[in-house]
Amino acid sequence: GNSVTQMEGPVTLSEEAFLTINCTYTATGYPSLFWYVQYPGEGLQLLLKATKADDKGSNKGFEATYRKETTSFHLEKGSVQVSDSAVYFCALGGLTGNQFYFGTGTSLTVIP
Amino acid sequence: ETGVTQSPTHLIKTRGQQVTLRCSSQSGHNTVSWYQQALGQGPQFIFQYYREEENGRGNFPPRFSGLQFPNYSSELNVNALELDDSALYLCASSLLGKNTEAFFGQGTRLTVV
Repeated sequence: GNSVTQMEGPVTLSEEAFLTINCTYTATGYPSLFWYVQYPGEGLQLLLKATKADDKGSNKGFEATYRKETTSFHLEKGSVQVSDSAVYFCALGGLTGNQFYFGTGTSLTVIP
Repeated sequence: ETGVTQSPTHLIKTRGQQVTLRCSSQSGHNTVSWYQQALGQGPQFIFQYYREEENGRGNFPPRFSGLQFPNYSSELNVNALELDDSALYLCASSLLGKNTEAFFGQGTRLTVV
């Protein structure tokens, strides 16, 4: 089946620290991979995506590379800010219509 | 601003009642999906509508039903509410296709008491 396993949180970092949130997936077929972010009280916003192996998605200083050999899509940012505090969801899609399979989310808190 | 709007934002219902949630899709999108997000969990796929017909369904019982209208707006109906139905319900609109992302609304927070 299709599923996403995501690093559990919560994660607390100091401002300007390096961030990694691990994500691995299981899929039948060739999925597209996504990172969504959810700020308190809001819906999900697309952060970045990658549609095939070795693609790198990037946005707002965040990056993730689609690694088919390790079935992973880890999220990284070199220097986090307080405004990055949110819940991050790894997701796969593009297998059955537009259905997305989400991980359980990783809560990030960045302290000044 | 994604252009996907949901109403109401919050709702409290009693066990056994019925509820209707509404979603207005982003202009130009032909597909709408509904997700249930329990507290502390990732969103779970309920179903998807494309051109007013159901185009896929997750592991939810038949008391969860939906509609999509010609203007691509949508409704989610839940009958015989149970306490476990308490969750954030998210609507997502998109164009049907392999690599397109979904744009989510802010959700409706449903509490069943």
